[in-house]
Amino acid sequence: NAGVTQTPKFQVLKTGQSMTLQCAQDMNHEYMSWYRQDPGMGLRLIHYSVGAGITDQGEVPNGYNVSRSTTEDFPLRLLSAAPSQTSVYFCASSYSKGGSSAFFGSGTRLTVV
Amino acid sequence: QQQVKQSPQSLIVQKGGISIINCAYENTAFDYFPWYQQFPGKGPALLIAIRPDVSEKKEGRFTISFNKSAKQFSLHIMDSQPGDSATYFCAASKSYKLSFGAGTTVTVRA
Repeated sequence: NAGVTQTPKFQVLKTGQSMTLQCAQDMNHEYMSWYRQDPGMGLRLIHYSVGAGITDQGEVPNGYNVSRSTTEDFPLRLLSAAPSQTSVYFCASSYSKGGSSAFFGSGTRLTVV
Repeated sequence: QQQVKQSPQSLIVQKGGISIINCAYENTAFDYFPWYQQFPGKGPALLIAIRPDVSEKKEGRFTISFNKSAKQFSLHIMDSQPGDSATYFCAASKSYKLSFGAGTTVTVRA
């Protein structure tokens, strides 16, 4: 049972490049989300999904796109990377609404130069 | 602005001592308050959680105290061990969304 799997673990991008961060979960969880972690700021919600075909914006959505075509996968796309997007990105999933603990992947460390 | 304020930013405790981390929130709609533990290079992992109708929850050496009227909650780590050295995040949840505190780095000296 792999839980939440994120790829890649590390990535360096040049300003303006695009890329997709992959996230997959094998727990049949309805809810999936993306967070970014920056020093002194905790984790901030970027986008989330309550099920296949349903996504919504979180606290810091600008510069990121998501889609949810299957229950298992929730990729995060950076269309035109900026240095301000240098961060550690975490994908999480949980199985029910409200009061359900999120399970996190091991993260992707992204550097934009 | 952060919806959950966490303090201190860091703390150092001797082995066997007590670590205390405090959090405060404003949104009374929050209905679930988890604490996460994160080791370097890893994702956050659930440590312990509480609902607002309970004033205290204990799991092993970890205890959450919750004060609904003051909109504050805290994590107590009893008999701190070197293996507890990590970053701890408090969080508050409304529906699916988690709002995190800024984190506290705990260092336990042997």
